[in-house]
Amino acid sequence: DAKTTQPNSMESNEEEPVHLPCNHSTISGTDYIHWYRQLPSQGPEYVIHGLTSNVNNRMASLAIAEDRKSSTLILHRATLRDAAVYYCILRDAIISNFGNEKLTFGTGTRLTIIP
Amino acid sequence: GAGVSQSPRYKVAKRGQDVALRCDPISGHVSLFWYQQALGQGPEFLTYFQNEAQLDKSGLPSDRFFAERPEGSVSTLKIQRTQQEDSAVYLCASSSTGAVNEKLFFGSGTQLSVL
Repeated sequence: DAKTTQPNSMESNEEEPVHLPCNHSTISGTDYIHWYRQLPSQGPEYVIHGLTSNVNNRMASLAIAEDRKSSTLILHRATLRDAAVYYCILRDAIISNFGNEKLTFGTGTRLTIIP
Repeated sequence: GAGVSQSPRYKVAKRGQDVALRCDPISGHVSLFWYQQALGQGPEFLTYFQNEAQLDKSGLPSDRFFAERPEGSVSTLKIQRTQQEDSAVYLCASSSTGAVNEKLFFGSGTQLSVL
């Protein structure tokens, strides 16, 4: 899987928007961009994913650069419950539908929310 | 419950003991994954099942680690002759079919401490 690069940590004020960057300069045309987050003492949870177009769901938005070499996860109004480690992961769509669909995690970005 | 359930939540073992960690995936989920997470690191892939078939065990660190899913539902990760370096959180995840871009649902993990 292609590699991603994220800042080790970020801070944001409560009720402010948060922009979490991810660089993936070696992304292939068939790689989807996935984001998971891990709250303290819990397993990771899915946040959002996309291929080329920007995506929105109830948790967040995903903005993908036109050249797809970077993306940004946007939390529109951070709350204390959003404090977590955020992982940006690439998943290759070429892998057969019943092949190995493992996620390969990096070290992620630890997001701290300041009250 | 509707989520992935892991037991025990905490396990303390003396070096050299054997341990067994259990995972109950979401009912009907075909794919099941085991991950190991050291303190301060992202989860590392251990092994993957499609129903009862173990399709990938490339991440198992040694032959002391063994996983099974005999009836295609509950899975057990067994570690023989535990060592201090085995201390970590062991996470289980499941997905509905394992198809590309399907969400993985994680349990809260078993924290293993080897003394």
